[in-house]
Amino acid sequence: KAGVTQTPRYLIKTRGQQVTLSCSPISGHRSVSWYQQTPGQGLQFLFEYFSETQRNKGNFPGRFSGRQFSNSRSEMNVSTLELGDSALYLCASSSQEGNTIYFGEGSWLTVV
Amino acid sequence: GESVGLHLPTLSVQEGDNSIINCAYSNSASDYFIWYKQESGKGPQFIIDIRSNMDKRQGQRVTVLLNKTVKHLSLQIAATQPGDSAVYFCAENIGSGGTSYGKLTFGQGTILTVHP
Repeated sequence: KAGVTQTPRYLIKTRGQQVTLSCSPISGHRSVSWYQQTPGQGLQFLFEYFSETQRNKGNFPGRFSGRQFSNSRSEMNVSTLELGDSALYLCASSSQEGNTIYFGEGSWLTVV
Repeated sequence: GESVGLHLPTLSVQEGDNSIINCAYSNSASDYFIWYKQESGKGPQFIIDIRSNMDKRQGQRVTVLLNKTVKHLSLQIAATQPGDSAVYFCAENIGSGGTSYGKLTFGQGTILTVHP
């Protein structure tokens, strides 16, 4: 069974641009959540989707958004990129509430 | 203001020793806890989990202990190997009946270094 797949793995963007990251959850998993990991703040929850609905959201500005498709695949978007958005963005999936949450390898975003 | 990097606790052991990594969690309503291992350049890898109705759970070479009274979690790794070198994170979640929906709150992490 394939794990959580994230694309792209690495990308460099310029301040002010926007970026879209993609995540394919483990087959059969309907919950997809996103996290940001930085050396300064550690791992922080961005948002969670289930059946195309955002059920929970962390404390990030509105520049960070996401969506989930009917096949459970998810995308997150960051608009008007800032230098501080440079981070590892991690996607995780689980089959349902209370079940194990598995992570992908992440997308490394560098903003210059 | 200037951001300050997290200063992660470190644990250095010899190959073959047992390792104990500790974690204090914050929310008394948390009822599901997970330990993850993260190697350099990779995403967090699930190690073992425990629910609040248990105080101990064992896996292959790993044991998790939960003390709800003092909100403390520990991960014990038996016969530690060089391949166990990584950053270890504990994470807490308010599970069924709550509204956390996939939201894990992570600890700062502990760097484990295993010397051959």
